[in-house]
Order: sequence, then structure tokens, then C-alpha cells
Amino acid sequence: KAGVTQTPRYLIKTRGQQVTLSCSPISGHRSVSWYQQTPGQGLQFLFEYFSETQRNKGNFPGRFSGRQFSNSRSEMNVSTLELGDSALYLCASSLQDPHTDTQYFGPGTRLTVL
Amino acid sequence: AQTVTQSQPEMSVQEAETVTLSCTYDTSENNYYLFWYKQPPSRQMILVIRQEAYKQQNATENRFSVNFQKAAKSFSLKISDSQLGDTAMYFCAFMKSISNFGNEKLTFGTGTRLTIIP
Repeated sequence: KAGVTQTPRYLIKTRGQQVTLSCSPISGHRSVSWYQQTPGQGLQFLFEYFSETQRNKGNFPGRFSGRQFSNSRSEMNVSTLELGDSALYLCASSLQDPHTDTQYFGPGTRLTVL
Repeated sequence: AQTVTQSQPEMSVQEAETVTLSCTYDTSENNYYLFWYKQPPSRQMILVIRQEAYKQQNATENRFSVNFQKAAKSFSLKISDSQLGDTAMYFCAFMKSISNFGNEKLTFGTGTRLTIIP
């Protein structure tokens, strides 16, 4: 079974621009979560989607948004980019089974804001 | 809110030796999951091992095992017969038990950078 895939793997943007990152979960997984990883703040939860609905949201400004499609693929969008948005953005998917649930991560998208 | 603490920023060990990484957490929940993930230089976050809080038996996965002390809120990872491929950043993570509402948020520690020396 294919793992979680994320596109693009690397992205360079300038301040003020917007960016869209994509995540395709493992087949059959309906929950997708997004995390931001930076050297200073570590790994922080952005939001989680299940069946096209955002169920949980971390403590990030409204510039960070996301959505999930009917095939469980998810996108996250960051508008009006700031230098501090430079980070590795990780997507994780899970089966939503209480007895075996585990999040499996994709390779990440490295975003650099200049 | 949950917190996860990893007090060892860096560790190194000779190949084939055993190493233990520490993790403590704070929560008022009774049902939860604990995880160890590794992140090698390639940056892909890989699940190492998983523990359900309601299980008293410590989880094991080949050379990897945990020492789960629920009362002490401690969750250490032991790597036996360490290999060069074990070199990575190791993160301890906490997740509340799944409910009907769902709660998929992982809370991570700051990580331990482990280097296996040939």
C-alpha cells in the first residue's frame, strides 16, 4: 500500500505571497492532520480533517487554512506569507480505528519564505 | 493541556550497544496513546513504536522496546543492538484516546538527536 504523499517537496516563495500544499493519505485513511515543524517551535499541530470537516485546529492565525476533498486528499493554504512561515510542513493520515489508530506521516513539504 | 518532555537533547552510542531515551508527559487523561517516532536526515517521520495506556504490558518491536510507567508518567525507549541506521531525531508523542468526536492531535516532545558511532 502506498504511503502518505505530499507535493511539492520543496517550495520557495516571497513574503506576501500565498501557497497551497497538497497531501494524499494512505488508501482507506479518512483522517488527515497537518503539522508545522520549525527549529524554534518544534512540531506543532495545525489542523485535522475527517470526512471533509475540520474537527480540530491548533493555535495558528487565520492565514493558515485547509480543506479535505471527498477522496480524503487534503490541501493546506497559507496566505500573506511571512518569513516565520518557513518550515517543514508534515501531513499525517490515520484510519480512525480506536483500537489501532496511529498517524502515518508523509515526507513533508519544505517551505522557504524569502 | 498535555505536555511532553524529552530531557536529553543529544545522545551518542557505539554501534551494537544499547541506549535508552527518556520521555515524561503530563496529562489528566486516563485513556491515551504514546508513540515514539524517528526522523532521520531524510526528514520522513517514521513510527517506531506505539503504547496504549490501558495496557500494562510494555510494547516491543524487534530491537525497540519501551518502559511505560503510567503512575510516573514516564515512557522511555530502549534500542538494543543499535545500528548505524538508527541515527535520527527521536520524538516522543502523546495522543488522547479516540472518541466519537475524534481527537487526532499529536503532542510532541522536543526530540532527542541520537547518533550511532561506528
